[in-house]
Order: sequence, then C-alpha cells, then structure tokens
Amino acid sequence: SAVISQKPSRDICQRGTSLTIQCQVDSQVTMMFWYRQQPGQSLTLIATANQGSEATYESGFVIDKFPISRPNLTFSTLTVSNMSPEDSSIYLCSVEGAGGNTEAFFGQGTRLTVV
Amino acid sequence: DAKTTQPNSMESNEEEPVHLPCNHSTISGTDYIHWYRQLPSQGPEYVIHGLTSNVNNRMASLAIAEDRKSSTLILHRATLRDAAVYYCILREAPFSFGNEKLTFGTGTRLTIIP
Repeated sequence: SAVISQKPSRDICQRGTSLTIQCQVDSQVTMMFWYRQQPGQSLTLIATANQGSEATYESGFVIDKFPISRPNLTFSTLTVSNMSPEDSSIYLCSVEGAGGNTEAFFGQGTRLTVV
Repeated sequence: DAKTTQPNSMESNEEEPVHLPCNHSTISGTDYIHWYRQLPSQGPEYVIHGLTSNVNNRMASLAIAEDRKSSTLILHRATLRDAAVYYCILREAPFSFGNEKLTFGTGTRLTIIP
C-alpha cells in the first residue's frame, strides 16, 4: 500500500494569486497523478508527473496554469496559477501501488476556494 | 478508455445486500473492470477489480457477465459507512506506460437508509 499526504488540506485564496499543493508519498513511485474534482462532479485528470521529465497534461489543462514539479520519487507539487473562482475545486494526488499492484492510492485532497 | 454507464443514485437499507450495476458494452478483451469508491470528504479508495471471473475480497464481490458487457458490485451487508459514490472504471492491461491513469465516470451515489 501507499500512504499519501497532501498539504494544505484546504485553503481560501484571493483571485489572481497562486497556490502550491504538495503531495508526499511514503514509498518511491514512478508516476504520480493530479486530479481535479469540481463541486458535485467526478474526478478529472489534470496531468501525469514522472520524475526527471516534464509532466504530461490532459486536454484542457496547460502547464502555464498548472505547473507541476517532480523533484524525486516520493514528492510532487501542483501549482494553481492566477486563480479565479472557477478554480475552486478539490485537487487530489494519486499514485500506483508498488510491485505490480494495480491498485491506485489517493490523497485526501486539497479543497481550494477562490474568492 | 472504454466508457461505463452507471445509475446516478441508489438507495439501500442498512444491513441488506446492495447490487451496484455497471454497463460497459464497448469493453475490449484486455480491459480490466475496476471499482473505486469515494467516501464523503475523502479521496477515492480501491474496492475490487476483475477480468472475466467473479471476484471476492473483504470489502465486496464483483460479478462479471459472461459477455463482459456488464458487471455488478455486490456489498453483502451494507452499513452506514458504505454510503459513498461508487465508480466503475475500465483499465487496459498490462498497465504499461500510459495505461496507468484512471478515467472516472459520474459514478453511483449510494445512500444507506438506517
């Protein structure tokens, strides 16, 4: 199994500012995933982050808006830049289990409110 | 990823079995059927997965139709803590690079009635 810690758990931010969300895993993982869950909606994948390479973004998400860092095999950050109220969502970090386990693990999420 | 169709919501009485259906008529031969659930204010958690045969674990059972175009997640005795959104997701094997991501549908919101 993998234990994921996300920080902060929630935040209220002013529009036009940026917030960096941290994701720490208790084991080394190859790929980390960032999802967004808008109010009352399902999860949507933002990007996949591999250590040592640029993140791969899904359609509709761009690096300038959601820059991602992956400095090592246990840590990643997602920044939500130049925020607007439409960015108010829950942002979740996810990883695959180790050793060929096909189970995915998720953090508790970061609840972001932009005012 | 192939698409799945689930009812938006279901209700069940506490301590009774719950059958959550999922249709995946366009499933390919290499797609695994995964179920995750999301409890209130938490990230999703893995429930069970299978390919062709029915599967059981401590949380639930997964019944897969013979043609694999549908499946049913079975909670044998629902408790109030099982109230969650349940997602049925198809994942391509062998989970090589590029296949690891999960594509979430709308899921089924399960309400447990005391």
